[in-house]
Amino acid sequence: DADVTQTPRNRITKTGKRIMLECSQTKGHDRMYWYRQDPGLGLRLIYYSFDVKDINKGEISDGYSVSRQAQAKFSLSLESAIPNQTALYFCATSDFEGPGRERYEQFFGPGTRLTVL
Amino acid sequence: GDSVTQMEGPVTLSEEAFLTINCTYTATGYPSLFWYVQYPGEGLQLLLKATKADDKGSNKGFEATYRKETTSFHLEKGSVQVSDSAVYFCALGAGSSNTGKLIFGQGTTLQVKP
Repeated sequence: DADVTQTPRNRITKTGKRIMLECSQTKGHDRMYWYRQDPGLGLRLIYYSFDVKDINKGEISDGYSVSRQAQAKFSLSLESAIPNQTALYFCATSDFEGPGRERYEQFFGPGTRLTVL
Repeated sequence: GDSVTQMEGPVTLSEEAFLTINCTYTATGYPSLFWYVQYPGEGLQLLLKATKADDKGSNKGFEATYRKETTSFHLEKGSVQVSDSAVYFCALGAGSSNTGKLIFGQGTTLQVKP
């Protein structure tokens, strides 16, 4: 079984709808991330969480919200979807060994392709 | 702020050709550097990494050397295969903030023709 899973894998929705993308991991990592990928722009960080009680905005958080329900689960919501949120969304996890001993390697899910009409 | 710049793609090569994908970075401190690969329809997976100056990361015939003097981490492979066709991302661990975050370049698409 995959270590990082995302549901759904594909979603088509309409402008104004609320959408939730879910991410689960079995790696036991504390840190989780949400990115979006757009052609020519690489991956941009939306939100990240270092533990269940910690949520941080990334570089493009407007229009998105997140929930860290448990160590293993991190959900991304689009409260009112708009067409320019059409993109490929990735969840990722990383380990943490302690201050000054960052483990930057991240492990990615397979992605969710979201289309907003 | 910290940033990563990759060469524009797409890159199209014939099988067994030599590959170079350029990557340069701007960062304070001493970031860790990574190459990730994304095969069609899949998520990103780590290809190789280097954590300090002059380190050479290598995996699956790919290599990259951390060059602090030129702030570069170019990806090379001596003989590419059709199966290497993918999108390649250079990334740095946000060295100045120690937050565990990665900053990605825009990605370079490689297509290898038989």
